[in-house]
Formats: sequence, C-alpha cells, structure tokens
Amino acid sequence: KAGVTQTPRYLIKTRGQQVTLSCSPISGHRSVSWYQQTPGQGLQFLFEYFSETQRNKGNFPGRFSGRQFSNSRSEMNVSTLELGDSALYLCASSLEAAGSYNEQFFGPGTRLTVL
Amino acid sequence: QKEVEQDPGPLSVPEGAIVSLNCTYSNSAFQYFMWYRQYSRKGPELLMYTYSSGNKEDGRFTAQVDKSSKYISLFIRDSQPSDSATYLCAMYNQGGKLIFGQGTELSVKP
Repeated sequence: KAGVTQTPRYLIKTRGQQVTLSCSPISGHRSVSWYQQTPGQGLQFLFEYFSETQRNKGNFPGRFSGRQFSNSRSEMNVSTLELGDSALYLCASSLEAAGSYNEQFFGPGTRLTVL
Repeated sequence: QKEVEQDPGPLSVPEGAIVSLNCTYSNSAFQYFMWYRQYSRKGPELLMYTYSSGNKEDGRFTAQVDKSSKYISLFIRDSQPSDSATYLCAMYNQGGKLIFGQGTELSVKP
C-alpha cells in the first residue's frame, strides 16, 4: 500500500511569488491535513480537509490556502511568498476526520526555500 | 506560552542507555496523547498513542501520561543508534487540531 506522496520534494522561490504544493493521500483516506515545520516554531497545523471541505484551520494568514479534490488529493497554495515561509510543508492523511483518534500518516514533506 | 512544551535538546546518550523524553501541556481538555519519531529528511511516524492516564508499553518503548500534572513521557529502554531521531509529542485539542511539541533531537552513540 503506497504511503502519502508529496510533490515536489524541493522548491526554491523568490519573495512575492506564489507556490502550489500537492499531496496524494493513502488510498481510501478521506482526510488530509497540512502542517508547516520550522526550526523556530516546530510543527504547526495549517488546515484540514475532509470530503472536499475545509474542516479546521490553524492560525496562519489568508495567503495560505488549500483545497481538496473528489479523489481526496489536496493542494495548498501560498501567495505573495515571504522569507519566513521557508519551511518543510508536511501533509498527513487519515481514514476519517482528525480529532477523535484517527492515526495520521505523514508524507516526506516539501522543502520550500524562499530567497 | 506554547500550549505544549518540550525540551528541544539535543540529547546525546550512549548505546544501551534508558532515555526519558518529556512534554508538559497547559490545557486540561487535551486528549489522545501521541509520540512521533522523525528521521532526518522524512515525515513524522507514529510511535505510540495513549488516551488515559497510566502507562502503555510497546517493546522497548513506554508511554506515560499523568493528566493530573499535565505531563507525558516516553521512555526508551536499551537505546540503539537506530533510535537517533527527533521525537515529537502531540495531542489533540478540543477543536480537533493536532498540537505538537517542539521536538527533542536524540542521538544514540555506539
């Protein structure tokens, strides 16, 4: 059974640009969550999608957005990139909505560098 | 103040040592306490989860939860160089968001 896949694995952008990251969950999983990981702030929750609807959102500015498709694949978009957006972006999938315990399986992440 | 506090280390121990990793949290409504292990250049993987206060054992790993003190621990017995990784505690808040500790970087020296 294939794990969570994320593309691209590495990305370099300049300030002001926008970026789209992609996540394919484990087959059959309906929930996809996104996290940002930085050395200073650690792992922080961005948002969760379940059945194409945003179910939960973390404390990030509106420049961070996402969506989920009918096949459960998800994309996240960051517009007007800032230097502080440089981070490892992790996607995690679970069978059902996160919350009451459902194990989340993480992908390898996309390393975004903003110059 | 962060909702979940975890000493970032780094922590270096000799092979065979007992390792103790700890997290404290501020919100008594937190439930489902988890420990993740993250190797370099990989995503986190779930090691153990517990719901209630007490101990849960899985091989060389023991997870301990003390809800009255808002304190969770992970013990690793007979540590191996392959245990070298970053260990993250995590717990769900009442809004269904998974809140992580900072992560503790562990190095087990042969």
